[in-house]
Amino acid sequence: GQNIDQPTEMTATEGAIVQINCTYQTSGFNGLFWYQQHAGEAPTFLSYNVLDGLEEKGRFSSFLSRSKGYSYLLLKELQMKDSASYLCALKAAGNKLTFGGGTRVLVKP
Amino acid sequence: GAVVSQHPSRVICKSGTSVKIECRSLDFQATTMFWYRQFPKQSLMLMATSNEGSKATYEQGVEKDKFLINHASLTLSTLTVTSAHPEDSSFYICSARDPKLAGADTQYFGPGTRLTVL
Repeated sequence: GQNIDQPTEMTATEGAIVQINCTYQTSGFNGLFWYQQHAGEAPTFLSYNVLDGLEEKGRFSSFLSRSKGYSYLLLKELQMKDSASYLCALKAAGNKLTFGGGTRVLVKP
Repeated sequence: GAVVSQHPSRVICKSGTSVKIECRSLDFQATTMFWYRQFPKQSLMLMATSNEGSKATYEQGVEKDKFLINHASLTLSTLTVTSAHPEDSSFYICSARDPKLAGADTQYFGPGTRLTVL
């Protein structure tokens, strides 16, 4: 089976940096995704890590350490529109995704 | 990225009726689509994997006779909630992969359907 843990909620200031951690246990690792979800909307794809290291995409970066069962999503130069839930998801066999509970990020002015 | 649509976006129905939700891949063919359910302030839970031309694969605890899935073409999967009850009220979201895109492991989500059963 799979188990995913991420903080429930985080608050940060506009212009700052926030790091959202995700730890997981899985019997077989096939990749880890980060999605952004605004309230009442569907998730949108942010990043995908399958190898160890850092993937950078503009203001968003994602890091993976498979040996530690650990990933983080880094959001830089926070904007008000970044207030949303951020979902860590593990890919299983058959391309199925198991989602963590999500981290609600609130950006304050 | 790939575009996935869902219809309707919102539906309100009476208890005991059936509701059909459509999921379409607009600019690609998807042999596999996934159906998720999300209750308020909770994360997405996979309900079933929809396979074109064959039976859907349901997750443990999901009643296949209550949640009927049909994947009749490479661009359309439907989820029918039969004899809906208030506890079925939820946000239903589908996703699909475009196997021809680089990063083909990525699932792209539809905009979701908010079902309210009175």
